[in-house]
Amino acid sequence: EPEVTQTPSHQVTQMGQEVILRCVPISNHLYFYWYRQILGQKVEFLVSFYNNEISEKSEIFDDQFSVERPDGSNFTLKIRSTKLEDSAMYFCASNLAGGRTGELFFGEGSRLTVL
Amino acid sequence: SQQGEEDPQALSIQEGENATMNCSYKTSINNLQWYRQNSGRGLVHLILIRSNEREKHSGRLRVTLDTSKKSSSLLITASRAADTASYFCATDISGANNLFFGTGTRLTVIP
Repeated sequence: EPEVTQTPSHQVTQMGQEVILRCVPISNHLYFYWYRQILGQKVEFLVSFYNNEISEKSEIFDDQFSVERPDGSNFTLKIRSTKLEDSAMYFCASNLAGGRTGELFFGEGSRLTVL
Repeated sequence: SQQGEEDPQALSIQEGENATMNCSYKTSINNLQWYRQNSGRGLVHLILIRSNEREKHSGRLRVTLDTSKKSSSLLITASRAADTASYFCATDISGANNLFFGTGTRLTVIP
């Protein structure tokens, strides 16, 4: 069964370093998302992406964050200068046709630890 | 905030019993979705119910939606040990899948 894959599964970084989290969405999906879950807290929407541009972003997704689909298969989340509070599990998700189909397919997540 | 709040926070039942989880939210929605998360794993979509629907079934799952009370419930019938997980409701205001998740109910099914 097709699945969303994410790498790395766990990354430890020093505060102030840049981090890139990678995702390979399901191949025929057109809508891509990043969510995050701080340990013990709710899953939070970060950004949605369609047709090579950001569709919507939350307040969390400030100038330190960026997303890119560099080669038609990967979908990346970059955090420019990490802060301690960026420590979280980051989930990538994809969807075939946006809200019309509803179901989001999530990856297993990338755990980011900022020291 | 339109984030959902689940009730109860934790639920422990015997295998074979039914489990009911409730979700309340604050603003009008396009649809409401339920997801499951095993510890430390990704989220798995269970069921979506649109704002013009009142009840939906999928296998052993039954979801209801009451838009006047801004609440939803998820019923898992004939629970199994493998149903042990956290269950989240997520509201979608615009239909674009920019979801607002609740705090989750941690379900433990005792064999």
